[in-house]
Amino acid sequence: DAEITQSPRHKITETGRQVTLACHQTWNHNNMFWYRQDLGHGLRLIHYSYGVQDTNKGEVSDGYSVSRSNTEDLPLTLESAASSQTSVYFCASSGTGVSPLHFGNGTRLTVT
Amino acid sequence: GENVEQHPSTLSVQEGDSAVIKCTYSDSASNYFPWYKQELGKRPQLIIDIRSNVGEKKDQRIAVTLNKTAKHFSLHITETQPEDSAVYFCADPASGSARQLTFGSGTQLTVLP
Repeated sequence: DAEITQSPRHKITETGRQVTLACHQTWNHNNMFWYRQDLGHGLRLIHYSYGVQDTNKGEVSDGYSVSRSNTEDLPLTLESAASSQTSVYFCASSGTGVSPLHFGNGTRLTVT
Repeated sequence: GENVEQHPSTLSVQEGDSAVIKCTYSDSASNYFPWYKQELGKRPQLIIDIRSNVGEKKDQRIAVTLNKTAKHFSLHITETQPEDSAVYFCADPASGSARQLTFGSGTQLTVLP
């Protein structure tokens, strides 16, 4: 079965370190998204991609970057981790046109 | 699609009663309205969605209604069960792109046995 996998599931890092969260999907979806989830804020869009070599900033993109070198992967990089980036991060993908989002299991990131 | 308001933020109902969650959107061009359910510690999962050319859609105990004039859509859960306890999110496409969703802030539904 097709799936979307995030790794690691949990990560603790120190302020100022660079961190990369992985997202891999086997749906063959063109659209991929990164959201962060914080209590009281729901799901907020960080970055998204509509295809290989395409990346776009979302609502809360400061301090984050993504790259899309193939269809399956959209890694999220925190250039210099800050305590404000402690959150649960969800990767998602969707197919062509108006279609549902498929979410990964999430990565819980703690920045100390 | 840039602003979607969801109410209430918390909702408690007795098992067997109905629950209604409402979302209001701002972009009259919005044409796709999904609802996601997120159980504690799990990923959000789509439970029902509706397109703008339809006023209501049902799937067993859940239904979504859309009022395009008032720019709001609602999730209805009938005969609630304890396993319905979760956080529910509505979403609205961003302006100009149905592929990008803006989520409401969520409703914590608790079904009391």
